[in-house]
Amino acid sequence: QQPVQSPQAVILREGEDAVINCSSSKALYSVHWYRQKHGEAPVFLMILLKGGEQKGHDKISASFNEKKQQSSLYLTASQLSYSGTYFCGTELSQNAGNMLTFGGGTRLMVKP
Amino acid sequence: ETGVTQSPTHLIKTRGQQVTLRCSSQSGHNTVSWYQQALGQGPQFIFQYYREEENGRGNFPPRFSGLQFPNYSSELNVNALELDDSALYLCASSPWTGEYNEQFFGPGTRLTVL
Repeated sequence: QQPVQSPQAVILREGEDAVINCSSSKALYSVHWYRQKHGEAPVFLMILLKGGEQKGHDKISASFNEKKQQSSLYLTASQLSYSGTYFCGTELSQNAGNMLTFGGGTRLMVKP
Repeated sequence: ETGVTQSPTHLIKTRGQQVTLRCSSQSGHNTVSWYQQALGQGPQFIFQYYREEENGRGNFPPRFSGLQFPNYSSELNVNALELDDSALYLCASSPWTGEYNEQFFGPGTRLTVL
């Protein structure tokens, strides 16, 4: 089951904040966040695991609400370089091993 | 450290033909996953290879097949191409360490089926 991302698109001015959500109808073991710029490969941002463990870049903040089967990515003090499409990828079990089911993406545009 | 590379960059085929796409994983990464990304959509998991064995498969028909070689590079083969197979095909490599690790994606192969 594909996770649902919201919003589908967002436009920000530099310095503004944004929250991107990823919701699943099934219990999740892990949520993975990637950013893809136009014409480029997706780039890893963060992994959030059931139980609270997180792995990712220091400047990225995210949460994982296991009860609500939802994850949120927090982009604060946005920069022009944050523009791109953000995807969440999910796994239902611990043994899935990076076999991700991705959402449809959230397009973020940061303007000067 | 060399990143993930894919070849070719672009490919045009006609319906019914067969295609082979190639992926060289990042040095030291023994796991390769393949994804199909249609225009404007998120990547869809095709299958994953670990130490030359298929480790998992998404909801794709058997005409999508793959290989992984001893140097951990990988191929994706698609037989009897259909128009809907037109997409960006991404491979991603990661080390299998027993813990979750980030995947490193290649730039992709853009396949167009006419």
